[in-house]
Amino acid sequence: GESVGLHLPTLSVQEGDNSIINCAYSNSASDYFIWYKQESGKGPQFIIDIRSNMDKRQGQRVTVLLNKTVKHLSLQIAATQPGDSAVYFCAGLGGSYIPTFGRGTSLIVHP
Amino acid sequence: DTAVSQTPKYLVTQMGNDKSIKCEQNLGHDTMYWYKQDSKKFLKIMFSYNNKELIINETVPNRFSPKSPDKAHLNLHINSLELGDSAVYFCASSHDRDNEQFFGPGTRLTVL
Repeated sequence: GESVGLHLPTLSVQEGDNSIINCAYSNSASDYFIWYKQESGKGPQFIIDIRSNMDKRQGQRVTVLLNKTVKHLSLQIAATQPGDSAVYFCAGLGGSYIPTFGRGTSLIVHP
Repeated sequence: DTAVSQTPKYLVTQMGNDKSIKCEQNLGHDTMYWYKQDSKKFLKIMFSYNNKELIINETVPNRFSPKSPDKAHLNLHINSLELGDSAVYFCASSHDRDNEQFFGPGTRLTVL
């Protein structure tokens, strides 16, 4: 059977705390990065994106940080809510236009 | 209104059978994709079409054949199904090749 979440990195937080989900990429040619949220039984849903000419981008309660020097991307969620519980994926896109998804992180928010 | 839709949502079939999954998007996007998500949630691109033209084909067995009759549709046909084909298949679309993608609800394929 399917072991949902058991093989994913997991981040457990209390409701109201801030969450930081990290992602490392290896392709230096990647110049566009996207964070997706996937709730159980649904398809991934776009959260926020960032292009390589930026270091930081903010949305509603979410911030993406890009460190090109160390090839690292992070997603910060402020005041995490139970509805934020999901699997989060980072995806990178380079000149070949072949999207590469990270392994995903399971975020569990405890009330 | 549904943006990206897939049918069927569940598909249970025997090894060796041939099956198809349909995908439609009503967003007016030029680019469509098929992904396979395994039991560990790893999401891997299989194919991509841009304006009905195949632009990505990622080392997928030739038992898998995508068909794009028009820009709004990208169907996936699978011949001689194998146990290892069991997974969730997602269709997605994007305005262009370097934009965020909109995913369908997925089709859970189980091969017995």
